[in-house]
Amino acid sequence: DTGVSQDPRHKITKRGQNVTFRCDPISEHNRLYWYRQTLGQGPEFLTYFQNEAQLEKSRLLSDRFSAERPKGSFSTLEIQRTEQGDSAMYLCASSNGQGYGYTFGSGTRLTVV
Amino acid sequence: AQKVTQAQTEISVVEKEDVTLDCVYETRDTTYYLFWYKQPPSGELVFLIRRNSFDEQNEISGRYSWNFQKSTSSFNFTITASQVVDSAVYFCALMLLGANNLFFGTGTRLTVIP
Repeated sequence: DTGVSQDPRHKITKRGQNVTFRCDPISEHNRLYWYRQTLGQGPEFLTYFQNEAQLEKSRLLSDRFSAERPKGSFSTLEIQRTEQGDSAMYLCASSNGQGYGYTFGSGTRLTVV
Repeated sequence: AQKVTQAQTEISVVEKEDVTLDCVYETRDTTYYLFWYKQPPSGELVFLIRRNSFDEQNEISGRYSWNFQKSTSSFNFTITASQVVDSAVYFCALMLLGANNLFFGTGTRLTVIP
């Protein structure tokens, strides 16, 4: 297994456009997480899936954000009507259980111009 | 509320020096996990260690060691004989037992000068 994969690595978009990111977790991991990291800060939790069920969402996840994990495998994170404040690194992680160390992907860096 | 403080924003050391990265956490919960992650320039967060709140035994892994002290709510990380490859941003994080999210500190950028 090659770890957690995220695509694309970089995305530049104009304000107001929609963007979608993809995450492929480690295949045997049933838990999947999305985090957002802005410059000079630590990652902040966005949402959590156990298999295909989205069990937890942060207040950071506004109505413009939606995440899915169909069939409990890969996940997508969509941002509608992007704003400059959405510019950040979006990190995906997966794990085997609660309290275990996550395996993070390399992230998708979003720049909204 | 939970909080993780990494007061050292940036540290520079000369290769082969020892360096300690500080981490102080706040929580009212009595059971939790503490983590350290390394973020090299490539961007991915690399898991280094997880400790349970009920296990204060210090841990050593090669050149890395961790000192967990509940009395001072600290979980410090020491790199012995630092190397250039240790240059990265290091994050300390907290997870409550039964929770599904990590609370990260703001990170410490370590630069090891050859």
